[in-house]
Amino acid sequence: EVQLVESGGGLVQPGGSLRLSCAASGFTFSVFGMSWVRQAPGKGLEWVARIKEDGSVKYYVDSVKGRFTISRDNAEKSLYLQMNSLRAEDTAVYYCARDQCRGNSCYDYWGQGTLVTVSS
Amino acid sequence: QSALTQPASVSGSPGQSITISCTGTSSDIGDYNYVSWYQQHPGKAPKLMIFEVVNRPSGVSDRFSGSKSGNTASLTISGLQAEDEADYYCSSYTSNSSRVFGTGTKVTVL
Repeated sequence: EVQLVESGGGLVQPGGSLRLSCAASGFTFSVFGMSWVRQAPGKGLEWVARIKEDGSVKYYVDSVKGRFTISRDNAEKSLYLQMNSLRAEDTAVYYCARDQCRGNSCYDYWGQGTLVTVSS
Repeated sequence: QSALTQPASVSGSPGQSITISCTGTSSDIGDYNYVSWYQQHPGKAPKLMIFEVVNRPSGVSDRFSGSKSGNTASLTISGLQAEDEADYYCSSYTSNSSRVFGTGTKVTVL
């Protein structure tokens, strides 16, 4: 059974840092691209970042470029999101999701999400 | 990277059909057949309902169907059921290799 389990969320002050983790199981992690998607309270989904299967290429939404870094450890079957210089508008539930479909254009499995709250 | 445009809400009675639109640009929906749709119940993670415009994952009811014309994609739910009440989001691949979601549509079963 495919499982994605996020961790690392919590309360952080503006300007602070946080590292999210996503532990994958039930599939061959190293052959799938992975993404982070977030959802601010009461708002819609927002794609945040994507990383290729081997970690060689990374993409980010403009609003997090230079502040967030996506990475992965295929040996540990884990996906990460290092978040620096956090802002109030980064407050959201962060989901990790498995890329699938042609063009890696869809997400067939999602984690349960981890809440990040940026507030003083 | 502006969000794709969806109606805020759509409603219908049990058994009816409803259609949710998702409007983008020639840099996303208009240029790629890489549109997917997600269903999200309150407090839950999104669930993939349609991928590559028209395809249903295994296990998704055939009451859900997708289509596209120009820069607009659509999700149709036929034979509306109480369990279909949820938020729905479209998503598309974009020309700069990023992804973009729609603004979301709340479906209410009257």
